[in-house]
Amino acid sequence: DGGITQSPKYLFRKEGQNVTLSCEQNLNHDAMYWYRQDPGQGLRLIYYSQIVNDFQKGDIAEGYSVSREKKESFPLTVTSAQKNPTAFYLCASSLNRGADTQYFGPGTRLTVL
Amino acid sequence: AQSVTQLGSHVSVSEGALVLLRCNYSSSVPPYLFWYVQYPNQGLQLLLKYTSAATLVKGINGFEAEFKKSETSFHLTKPSAHMSDAAEYFCAVSADKAAGNKLTFGGGTRVLVKP
Repeated sequence: DGGITQSPKYLFRKEGQNVTLSCEQNLNHDAMYWYRQDPGQGLRLIYYSQIVNDFQKGDIAEGYSVSREKKESFPLTVTSAQKNPTAFYLCASSLNRGADTQYFGPGTRLTVL
Repeated sequence: AQSVTQLGSHVSVSEGALVLLRCNYSSSVPPYLFWYVQYPNQGLQLLLKYTSAATLVKGINGFEAEFKKSETSFHLTKPSAHMSDAAEYFCAVSADKAAGNKLTFGGGTRVLVKP
């Protein structure tokens, strides 16, 4: 089945530790995105990538980093510089043409202890 | 710049009653508009999208939305609510063509369906 997978589903981290969230897609999509979701605030864009080896900051990139070495993979690292990392993180992908739909993964819930 | 406002963070409807979720957008260029649904602890699923074709858009699960340029609105409706419609709904806009397919989301509306 084609789709987007995110792992792990739940992640716990101690303060001061970096953690990497995985996002893989087998839809052959060019573009991939990372969003953060907090209650009552909708989804906010962290980073996006329209092509391999290229990515751009979204609206709330501070404290996060990404890489796009392969078309199917777009991992997100939450660094210790992120002041409030506890949230639900969603990865998405699209064909990157005009009104193409973004397809979402199941999400990773990160809790900082 | 683009933005989305969803009126009402929570909506309660009776089973069988009309569902109406409001979305207003701001965009300096003709937008693409989307409605997504999210069930607890899951990702988002596309309900429908407007891409400058017909202004009345039909989606999955009996939902539809109407694009009204004069009102900058894209309200979502369903004639008869079902218990399975209980979820959170997000309106989103994509209008900044120079920035690819970036979406801006509204704050979401959580729907409660009463039996």
